[in-house]
Amino acid sequence: DAGITQSPRYKITETGRQVTLMCHQTWSHSYMFWYRQDLGHGLRLIYYSAAADITDKGEVPDGYVVSRSKTENFPLTLESATRSQTSVYFCASSEWGTAQETQYFGPGTRLLVL
Amino acid sequence: AQTVTQSQPEMSVQEAETVTLSCTYDTSESDYYLFWYKQPPSRQMILVIRQEAYKQQNATENRFSVNFQKAAKSFSLKISDSQLGDAAMYFCAYTDSNYQLIWGAGTKLIIKP
Repeated sequence: DAGITQSPRYKITETGRQVTLMCHQTWSHSYMFWYRQDLGHGLRLIYYSAAADITDKGEVPDGYVVSRSKTENFPLTLESATRSQTSVYFCASSEWGTAQETQYFGPGTRLLVL
Repeated sequence: AQTVTQSQPEMSVQEAETVTLSCTYDTSESDYYLFWYKQPPSRQMILVIRQEAYKQQNATENRFSVNFQKAAKSFSLKISDSQLGDAAMYFCAYTDSNYQLIWGAGTKLIIKP
């Protein structure tokens, strides 16, 4: 299917475990983004990527690692999960990353850290 | 700090009536873009409407329109002829100088049949 997909959709893990959230887009968009959404807050940017092998920190990068070896994939890894990382995670993409562009969002991954 | 404020955590409207969701923001930039996104219960984030700050004309998309007041840094969303499918969380956002989206906390819109 075309578009942007995320997996898994739901994940329960324990404190201290490593977790990887996957994001895949079929549009060949240059820019990809990871956000987290917490109750009572809007989305907050974790990391973004302008192209393969180019990544940069967003507003809340601590505790997260990203990579982008291929244009279409942008995995997000929690190296040692903490309870404060319980959240809904959204991946998004845009063609050029310019200010006026629409960002297209995946369906989200709901992560619970026990 | 750059912020977006949506002062109404929840709004309700009767089906077929009009509702306005408010949004104010704080930026020192002169050129930027403003967005309203909709998040239905499915959690999918969907663009509703976009406004370019250097354009004085308010953007419209079918039943959705904005009232953009640049000097007041206000960007409200008006939904006309509300439909049950409009029920969702609505988020206001703008792009900062690094082209990153800064988001408000959202307004939950309830449509009464």
